[in-house]
Formats: sequence, structure tokens, C-alpha cells
Amino acid sequence: DVKVTQSSRYLVKRTGEKVFLECVQDMDHENMFWYRQDPGLGLRLIYFSYDVKMKEKGDIPEGYSVSREKKERFSLILESASTNQTSMYLCASSLLSFDRDRVEKLFFGSGTQLSVL
Amino acid sequence: AQSVTQLDSQVPVFEEAPVELRCNYSSSVSVYLFWYVQYPNQGLQLLLKYLSGSTLVKGINGFEAEFNKSQTSFHLRKPSVHISDTAEYFCAVITGFQKLVFGTGTRLLVSP
Repeated sequence: DVKVTQSSRYLVKRTGEKVFLECVQDMDHENMFWYRQDPGLGLRLIYFSYDVKMKEKGDIPEGYSVSREKKERFSLILESASTNQTSMYLCASSLLSFDRDRVEKLFFGSGTQLSVL
Repeated sequence: AQSVTQLDSQVPVFEEAPVELRCNYSSSVSVYLFWYVQYPNQGLQLLLKYLSGSTLVKGINGFEAEFNKSQTSFHLRKPSVHISDTAEYFCAVITGFQKLVFGTGTRLLVSP
């Protein structure tokens, strides 16, 4: 069974702390994504990666960075957490497709609810 | 850039009644559309997708969606809902290489 695993379901951090959110997939997918989900705003793309050591900014990258040292692992880093980064963070992965007619579906993890106090 | 709009933040409905969840997309030459569902405390799962071909797309759990180019819509429908369909539903569109943009979501609340 395909699986995207996020290391923590709930996380509480203090303002100014450096925060690492980890995501691991076991499907040998090339693409990995980080979204944040907020009520009334839906899902917004923070960063994505289509290969090891490759990263692309999404729509809201400010205040975040990412790391992809291994194909199966994609980390989201909050360099100095702030209260406006309190949110649900969702990781996803998919196969890479160069043909838009064969867009592959995303597989999502269960999410990490981060609270920054 | 491509975008989708879900005007209904919440749709209450009784069990066994039909339901329609609305999604409108920004006009473009070609468009690739998706519906995802998020059950409580879970990640999102793909319900169905439209890439080309027939405008009526059937998905899992009895859901279907119709691509309407003239109205730039991709509404999700189910003829008879169950309590277990209570979830949040997201419309999404391809907006670039490997990138999906999601709508703000519609919470479907099914009551007995």
C-alpha cells in the first residue's frame, strides 16, 4: 500500500524556534510537495521538488526553506517560527510526468498540525 | 495563471439526497481539473480528474463531475449521499509543470 508519512501529527513550538517537518514516501516518487492548509484559504503550495537536491518555490515560500537530500525524504524548515505559521502542513508526492495528458495523482500524508506560541 | 473558485464553503444535505458542489475555473485554452476529498483527520485523496475526452467524468464512491467549457465549470455531483460522504472537497487545476492549485474547499455535511 502506498504511503506518505509525516513524522508528527501535532507539534507545538515557540516563536523564534527553528522547526523541521519531515516527510517520507515509500513509492519511489520523483515529485514531492509541501502545502499548508488554512480554513477559508484551502491548500497553498509552499515548495516542491522534482528530484533530489532540486527545489522550486511555490506560491507562499516566504519564511520557509526545504531540503531534499534523498529521493524518499522531503523536509520543510521554518528558520524562525512565527505565530502566523500556525497551520496544518500537508506533504504529498507523485510520479514525474513530462506529458500533461498523463498527469499523475498526488498522494498525501495525514498532515502535521503546527502551533506556534 | 490558472485558478479555481469554490463559492460554497459549506453545503448541508440530508442523507440519500442529491448534492452538487460547485467549482469554476479561470478560462484557458486547455485545462486539466481534479476533485480531491479530505476525510476528517486524513490527507487528501483523488476522487476524479478531467484531462480530455468525455466531459462527464466518473470517480470513486459514486461521484461524477461534468466539464462545461461554456460555463467554465467543473461541478461535482452525487445522486444520493451517505453519512460517510461527510468530508471536505477540493477542486484543483494544473497551473504549471507538475503543479496543482487548489480551491478553498467545500465542507459537505450529511445529516441523517
